[in-house]
Amino acid sequence: DGGITQSPKYLFRKEGQNVTLSCEQNLNHDAMYWYRQDPGQGLRLIYYSQIVNDFQKGDIAEGYSVSREKKESFPLTVTSAQKNPTAFYLCASSISRSQETQYFGPGTRLLVL
Amino acid sequence: QQQVKQSPQSLIVQKGGIPIINCAYENTAFDYFPWYQQFPGKGPALLIAIRPDVSEKKEGRFTISFNKSAKQFSLHIMDSQPGDSATYFCAPHPSGNTPLVFGKGTRLSVIA
Repeated sequence: DGGITQSPKYLFRKEGQNVTLSCEQNLNHDAMYWYRQDPGQGLRLIYYSQIVNDFQKGDIAEGYSVSREKKESFPLTVTSAQKNPTAFYLCASSISRSQETQYFGPGTRLLVL
Repeated sequence: QQQVKQSPQSLIVQKGGIPIINCAYENTAFDYFPWYQQFPGKGPALLIAIRPDVSEKKEGRFTISFNKSAKQFSLHIMDSQPGDSATYFCAPHPSGNTPLVFGKGTRLSVIA
């Protein structure tokens, strides 16, 4: 059953702690993305990757880091430098670099303790 | 910087009504105009999309109208149902290998 999986569904972060959100896809898509969603803000692009071992900053990359060591995986680390991390995080993928249609995962909700 | 303005921010209609959501853009270098639908707690999913060489596209109860000269495109939902209650995003695609540009979303509520 093809698709995008994100884990965990809920994640709690303590002050000063780094946390990593998982995103895996078995669609054989080249491009992957991370978005942050806050109420009334829409989707804001954090990072995207068009090919393995390469990625670009989006509009709000500060306080986040990513890696793309495998085609099917694109984990996002929320570092302690991100002072307001509470949000709904969405991972997406698209078939190719042209990126016309994106397929989204179910999301991870990050909460700060 | 490319600008996308979506309106209204929220919308309440009676069942059977025809909600209309608008998206205006400032950059002419968009080549694909999709709408995404998102239910609470879920990821968005592509609903319907149009290319700039046509002015209208219908898929079931959903219609996109595209006005190239006015730089805007709209989503119409015919015979709206409570199950259509969701947040809708326009997300035009810039020419080339760059990501979609998402609007801020419209929260639609269809009441029985």
